[in-house]
Amino acid sequence: ETGVTQTPRHLVMGMTNKKSLKCEQHLGHNAMYWYKQSAKKPLELMFVYNFKEQTENNSVPSRFSPECPNSSHLFLHLHTLQPEDSALYLCASSHGAFQPQHFGDGTRLSIL
Amino acid sequence: DQQVKQNSPSLSVQEGRISILNCDYTNSMFDYFLWYKKYPAEGPTFLISISSIKDKNEDGRFTVFLNKSAKHLSLHIVPSQPGDSAVYFCAASGGNAGNMLTFGGGTRLMVKP
Repeated sequence: ETGVTQTPRHLVMGMTNKKSLKCEQHLGHNAMYWYKQSAKKPLELMFVYNFKEQTENNSVPSRFSPECPNSSHLFLHLHTLQPEDSALYLCASSHGAFQPQHFGDGTRLSIL
Repeated sequence: DQQVKQNSPSLSVQEGRISILNCDYTNSMFDYFLWYKKYPAEGPTFLISISSIKDKNEDGRFTVFLNKSAKHLSLHIVPSQPGDSAVYFCAASGGNAGNMLTFGGGTRLMVKP
């Protein structure tokens, strides 16, 4: 069983669709993160959750809506996305600040 | 403005030799640094980290060096193996934002047999 699991691995959606990305961690961590990696750009932090509470929103548009029901699960709800939102979305978890973050394999999202 | 930069997009090294990957940062508040390795179609894998109270950290074939005055860190891989071929990212955080990693753009390492 891998440490951080993301589903789906690939997602194609239209601009008017609503979909959700799911992340689950089996490492006993208390912090979870969403990152975005666009083509030819560094990984960008989107959201940080500590003990289920959102502690950081890195100026992310409201069409991305995170949800963290417990310390093991993290969702990213998507609605009315734009073509420029096509990217690799990575989830990570850690024991807290100044600890290594462990990543899932990501969801490759394509917006038509 | 990128706060963490990896100025070499690619590096090619012969098997058995040393690989040296470099990373520069501009934010003087950064005090925790990490290196990740990424294979295609997989997420980044944590390799090694260092805090600013140290200038060197070693784990097997991997050593990270930190030069705070130059705001520079490097990853040494000795000896390099073909399985080390991947994209390597450095990342940094610090101050009151220990959770918030800032990543460099990555360096693709190719180790030739």
